[in-house]
Amino acid sequence: EAGVAQSPRYKIIEKRQSVAFWCNPISGHATLYWYQQILGQGPKLLIQFQNNGVVDDSQLPKDRFSAERLKGVDSTLKIQPAKLEDSAVYLCASSNQGQVGETQYFGPGTRLLVL
Amino acid sequence: GQNIDQPTEMTATEGAIVQINCTYQTSGFNGLFWYQQHAGEAPTFLSYNVLDGLEEKGRFSSFLSRSKGYSYLLLKELQMKDSASYLCAVRGGNKLVFGAGTILRVKS
Repeated sequence: EAGVAQSPRYKIIEKRQSVAFWCNPISGHATLYWYQQILGQGPKLLIQFQNNGVVDDSQLPKDRFSAERLKGVDSTLKIQPAKLEDSAVYLCASSNQGQVGETQYFGPGTRLLVL
Repeated sequence: GQNIDQPTEMTATEGAIVQINCTYQTSGFNGLFWYQQHAGEAPTFLSYNVLDGLEEKGRFSSFLSRSKGYSYLLLKELQMKDSASYLCAVRGGNKLVFGAGTILRVKS
């Protein structure tokens, strides 16, 4: 079974530029998550999708971050404009139905450096 | 809100046993997960506890006490490849919140 795929793996941009990340979850998984992991910290949930609907985006900085999952499969996360403090690893995860107790499976992440 | 505390770093010797503690405060507790994260890699699932007690899985065991808001991950027969960050994550309501992780260094 193929795991969660993410691209690109690395990205370096200058502040005020825009950037987009892509995620393809495990086949059949209805729930998709985007996390931000700053160096030395645990992952922080940015947004959770159930199929193509948003379940939780309470910690997404909506003035600069946006995410979509139009067909309920793959997803994109965009930052526009980027700030220095956005330098982090952006992890995508998926789970079967988002039920209590379900394991979340993580992709390899996209490492973003904002200069 | 939720608050999760773990030691920042631990060092142990190859072949030994190490216990990584996690204390938490949350509303609507729905389970506790442990993940392993090697440097530069994604977190991988280790264990899940929702009821009090010990769950054993090979060299890894995880314990939960809901009344005390406390869990630990026990690693036996440590190997060099166990050097990694260990993340405690608590499900409160519908959201999974991660601690900052404990960096475990295994020395020979």
